[in-house]
Amino acid sequence: ETGVTQTPRHLVMGMTNKKSLKCEQHLGHNAMYWYKQSAKKPLELMFVYNFKEQTENNSVPSRFSPECPNSSHLFLHLHTLQPEDSALYLCASSQELGIVYEQYFGPGTRLTVT
Amino acid sequence: SQQGEEDPQALSIQEGENATMNCSYKTSINNLQWYRQNSGRGLVHLILIRSNEREKHSGRLRVTLDTSKKSSSLLITASRAADTASYFCATVPDSNYQLIWGAGTKLIIKP
Repeated sequence: ETGVTQTPRHLVMGMTNKKSLKCEQHLGHNAMYWYKQSAKKPLELMFVYNFKEQTENNSVPSRFSPECPNSSHLFLHLHTLQPEDSALYLCASSQELGIVYEQYFGPGTRLTVT
Repeated sequence: SQQGEEDPQALSIQEGENATMNCSYKTSINNLQWYRQNSGRGLVHLILIRSNEREKHSGRLRVTLDTSKKSSSLLITASRAADTASYFCATVPDSNYQLIWGAGTKLIIKP
């Protein structure tokens, strides 16, 4: 887990707040991902970045805004969230964007929207 | 859309026993991966098995893949309390690099 770090680990925010989640990987990987994990549901892929360029946006609402300033850092900016957005948000990285690479995950940010 | 479906959804066994979890999927795959997640934490990659492989081992883990039945199994031998976690399978389709996840099997090892 130390290869991919996420901050904060827990976040409680009101629906009118603006906050950001941060992810940093120390593995020298080129691809990074944001996932949403809700109880008893499969992981939902939100965004994919490859060499800092966004390659996937899986129909994520615009109240989630990703940013990837370099291959090591990934942010998820949050604004005007809804209670159903409460979930565990996981960041992951992989060596490359390809079909044979495993992903390395951070510990996640537990988000509660009140 | 959900590709992998794990079975059972929950499994509780005594320490020392073997635990078997199954995963079924729907479309043609390049590989299948198993991950472990301790409560409320990130996922840890356990093993990757390619579509042309039938069995793979890693320590106390044994994974099998049957592409004709579109299914895989994860066997943990001589289980330990530390194996308590949720286990997920994820498939990588032939045509796409994205992992497609199941909802997981929650494994509890009773001391």
